[in-house]
Amino acid sequence: ELKVEQNPLFLSMQEGKNYTIYCNYSTTSDRLYWYRQDPGKSLESLFVLLSNGAVKQEGRLMASLDTKARLSTLHITAAVHDLSATYFCAVAPGTYKYIFGTGTRLKVLA
Amino acid sequence: DAGITQSPRHKVTETGTPVTLRCHQTENHRYMYWYRQDPGHGLRLIHYSYGVKDTDKGEVSDGYSVSRSKTEDFLLTLESATSSQTSVYFCAISGIEGGEQYFGPGTRLTVT
Repeated sequence: ELKVEQNPLFLSMQEGKNYTIYCNYSTTSDRLYWYRQDPGKSLESLFVLLSNGAVKQEGRLMASLDTKARLSTLHITAAVHDLSATYFCAVAPGTYKYIFGTGTRLKVLA
Repeated sequence: DAGITQSPRHKVTETGTPVTLRCHQTENHRYMYWYRQDPGHGLRLIHYSYGVKDTDKGEVSDGYSVSRSKTEDFLLTLESATSSQTSVYFCAISGIEGGEQYFGPGTRLTVT
């Protein structure tokens, strides 16, 4: 069964702290995507990781991909309240198919 | 933002009635997808399309059908709605196979 597992599922952190969200997947995939979703809103694309060792950064967020370990990380640096959202990773292991993780709900406390 | 709209945005319907959700895109993307989002399940693929009149099933397709007669429109039909189909439905598009997806605003469907 194709699975994408994120952990933690829920994360409450203080402003200014660092933390990492992990995304493990069970099948071969050279592509991994990170999305952000605010409550009641749609999904917004954050990062597209297309090869082993890919690293992308945008502001306080940095994503990386290790295809050999089937692992992607989303690192948060010096969290701010505006980063509070649910973060999803997704892989595209085959023709037309996308498998999403269940999401990590991040709450940044002032 | 990618030009994707969904209609209706909210709908309440009764069990047993047919329901059609519409996804419209102005990006001329080849690939279109319907997902449902439920707490604890992330997004699950219902159906997808890889071209006009070319569609296939996703992982949770039972009780749903789709049609795509034009590049810009992808319709999702619940033939006879059930309470288990209460969910938020998202349409997505992508320009290349397995490429980055862009999501519509979603449709919240409640089946009573």
